[in-house]
Amino acid sequence: RKEVEQDPGPFNVPEGATVAFNCTYSNSASQSFFWYRQDCRKEPKLLMSVYSSGNEDGRFTAQLNRASQYISLLIRDSKLSDSATYLCVVNRPGGYQKVTFGTGTKLQVIP
Amino acid sequence: DTGVSQDPRHKITKRGQNVTFRCDPISEHNRLYWYRQTLGQGPEFLTYFQNEAQLEKSRLLSDRFSAERPKGSFSTLEIQRTEQGDSAMYLCASRVSDMNTEAFFGQGTRLTVV
Repeated sequence: RKEVEQDPGPFNVPEGATVAFNCTYSNSASQSFFWYRQDCRKEPKLLMSVYSSGNEDGRFTAQLNRASQYISLLIRDSKLSDSATYLCVVNRPGGYQKVTFGTGTKLQVIP
Repeated sequence: DTGVSQDPRHKITKRGQNVTFRCDPISEHNRLYWYRQTLGQGPEFLTYFQNEAQLEKSRLLSDRFSAERPKGSFSTLEIQRTEQGDSAMYLCASRVSDMNTEAFFGQGTRLTVV
């Protein structure tokens, strides 16, 4: 089983729609979680951190469910500019503190 | 520019040649990561440094791959006897010790083996 798993999509949604992505992780001791956005042929960039209490940044909401070992990203009122690949990132605890990425979920917002 | 920088941005090489990539992390970041990314996939972990110590290597990193971070600052990734399957984007990331902080990425080196 992969350490971090995501549905690769693509998710094709109309402008203005609400879309949600989930990401599951296998190591129950994982401590910190992030969503990154990656545009085509560019490097990943941080979209938002995911806190235990959940957090919101404008149209974006991230949630963490430790019991079920998944994190989610909700995008409201989708814009064409939201089209990208969204990568789930998990920081593994311990001495090595490995940073592990999911395969990414591709979102295409359609006019 | 105080971000992570990688050099070169693009590299085309013939099969069997050796290539070396360089990564300069953000100066106060003691943790440095190398990833490989192919089309349609997320970044795959290759190796990780804490200061100059290489603490973990992925099984993906065959004997043809070697990475160094001699003074705990910049890092190099060398691929010997390149194969077509090595064609990918090689990404470098760095971050500080606090594991609740995010990693910052360089723009990557795109390798094409012909």
